[in-house]
This record gives sequence, structure tokens and C-alpha cells, in this order.
Amino acid sequence: DIQMTQSPSSMSVSLGDTVTITCRASQDVGIYVNWFQQKPGKSPRRMIYRATNLADGVPSRFSGSRSGSDYSLTISSLESEDVADYHCLQYDEYPHTFGAGTKLELK
Amino acid sequence: QVTLKESGPGILQPSQALSLTCTFSGFSLSTYGMRVSWIRQPSGKGLEWLATIDWDDDKYYNPSLKSRLTVSKDTSNNQAFLKITSMDSADTATYYCASWELGDYWGQGVMVTVSS
Repeated sequence: DIQMTQSPSSMSVSLGDTVTITCRASQDVGIYVNWFQQKPGKSPRRMIYRATNLADGVPSRFSGSRSGSDYSLTISSLESEDVADYHCLQYDEYPHTFGAGTKLELK
Repeated sequence: QVTLKESGPGILQPSQALSLTCTFSGFSLSTYGMRVSWIRQPSGKGLEWLATIDWDDDKYYNPSLKSRLTVSKDTSNNQAFLKITSMDSADTATYYCASWELGDYWGQGVMVTVSS
């Protein structure tokens, strides 16, 4: 199975920060990585698909990138509404696997 | 417009089987390329992919749970099903169904508690 090692598990952030969350894939997953945002009590929301594509309606301060087996989600100029949990998902092959998640908390 | 909604028992006893239904609209599971996936999330923890069923009835399972999982579908009624046998307290979680082929669509989730 492909492991997605997500870091950090939590992050203390301030409004206006640039935040980067990373998932490292244990095998080649190509471009097949999505990033989801999840707020308490809500279903996840896809922010980035195919590693670098901004999902519909997602603010442009969100971006996705890939460097080898490392996939990153970057939030520029963090706003209060961005404080949430974030999860990566590889769907290159079955079984699909999620990273362990990153919790953003305000300082 | 694509919507999905999970339904099932809120609570069950250890060793019982869980049966969940995902009722969806806006697409057909008989259409080429369409899939429904099941994901769960224990409270305060991460997401875990459980299973996916395809338009052509191919099924894919999380190996760690494979012996306990069964997915199926009823294309006539736009429903997908998940069954998990031998439920345990470790299976207490919110269970979601989702479809990502036409965009990003998730159900609202159904909380399932396993308790005696």
C-alpha cells in the first residue's frame, strides 16, 4: 500500500502567514493527489486536485505543488476562515490512502 | 446537481454488522467512469478510505478491513451500500460516501457508535 506521510500534524499560525503542509508518498503516485480542507462538524472539501489544480470556488491564496514524491499545499496570507484541518489523498492506485492530517490553530 | 446522503443506524452493539446506504442524485452509477467511495473518520482523527464501487461493479477495499467489508449498488434506485461485519468500538466513527468524478461531492456523514 502507498503511504502518505503528512507533516506537520499540527501548526500554530497567525493571520497573514504563509503556511505549507507536505505529504510524502512512499511510491510514485504521479499527479494523483488531492488536498481537502475540513472544518469541525463538516464534510471535507476538496481544495486542490491532481496535485496542482485549484478546485472550483477555492481562493487563489491556496496552491498545490509537487517536487518528486513530495506534495505540498500552500496557503498564502492566511485568513481566519482557513483555520481548519487539511488532508492529502493519493488516488493513483487502490487502496486509496489519506495522510494523517494537519490541524491549523491560531496562535 | 450532485448530492449524496448516508443513512444507517446511529448505534449498534459490538459484534453486530453495520449496514449503510448512500442515496445519491445527479449521476448514475451505471454511467461509464462513475464511482462511489466510502470513507470514515473517528472523532478527532484522520480520514480513512474504506472502499470504492465502480460503474461496472468493480469493487476495491481497504486491505486492513477487507475481510469485513462489502460494497454493493442498486443503480435503479441510485443507491450504494456498505456493510461491515463484526463491528467493534474501534469502528465508532462518522461514515461518509463521496463521489469525485464530476467534482467534489460528499455526503453529510452519518455518525455510528458501537457500544454495549
